Amino acid sequence: AQRVTQPEKLLSVFKGAPVELKCNYSYSGSPELFWYVQYSRQRLQLLLRHISRESIKGFTADLNKGETSFHLKKPFAQEEDSAMYYCALQGAQKLVFGQGTRLTINP
Amino acid sequence: EPEVTQTPSHQVTQMGQEVILRCVPISNHLYFYWYRQILGQKVEFLVSFYNNEISEKSEIFDDQFSVERPDGSNFTLKIRSTKLEDSAMYFCASSEAVTVPVDEQYFGPGTRLTVT
Repeated sequence: AQRVTQPEKLLSVFKGAPVELKCNYSYSGSPELFWYVQYSRQRLQLLLRHISRESIKGFTADLNKGETSFHLKKPFAQEEDSAMYYCALQGAQKLVFGQGTRLTINP
Repeated sequence: EPEVTQTPSHQVTQMGQEVILRCVPISNHLYFYWYRQILGQKVEFLVSFYNNEISEKSEIFDDQFSVERPDGSNFTLKIRSTKLEDSAMYFCASSEAVTVPVDEQYFGPGTRLTVT
């Protein structure tokens, strides 16, 4: 079964503090994993994907196949990072999403 | 930058009525998708569409749902007889291809469907 779990519905950190949004997955094959972000009143948009191994807006995510995790990290949070974050797994043609984590950065 | 568009942004309908949600995917994209998100729940896949036919559908996508690409630009989701539990945000998405490495899906802003 394909499943994505984001254990934290809400996460609140102070500006300048490190951020880690957790994501665990269940997938029998070789997973393609993504983080999508939805800022207030905007559409879902791709933040980053594991295959590109790039840092976007200071965020990185490393696929850990042993722990079946794909946690999203940023060393120093900024107020504009406040948004809803969704971890997603590509299974065949569809995306399987986690529940989402609402990240709030306090000034 | 090209974007996926959806109309209407909000649709209110009575239980048992038919609704059609419309999407205009990005013009050179070949794969189209519908997802929905019931309030407070996760975004769920409904259906994918390629080459004028359904390529994959979820168990949610039962006989009351249908999709169509009536012309070269629109992609529609029809719910034949709406139920209260169909109230949700419906997202359309499109991608250029389904390849390895996987292609990005671009999402529309969503249509909020309220069934009363």
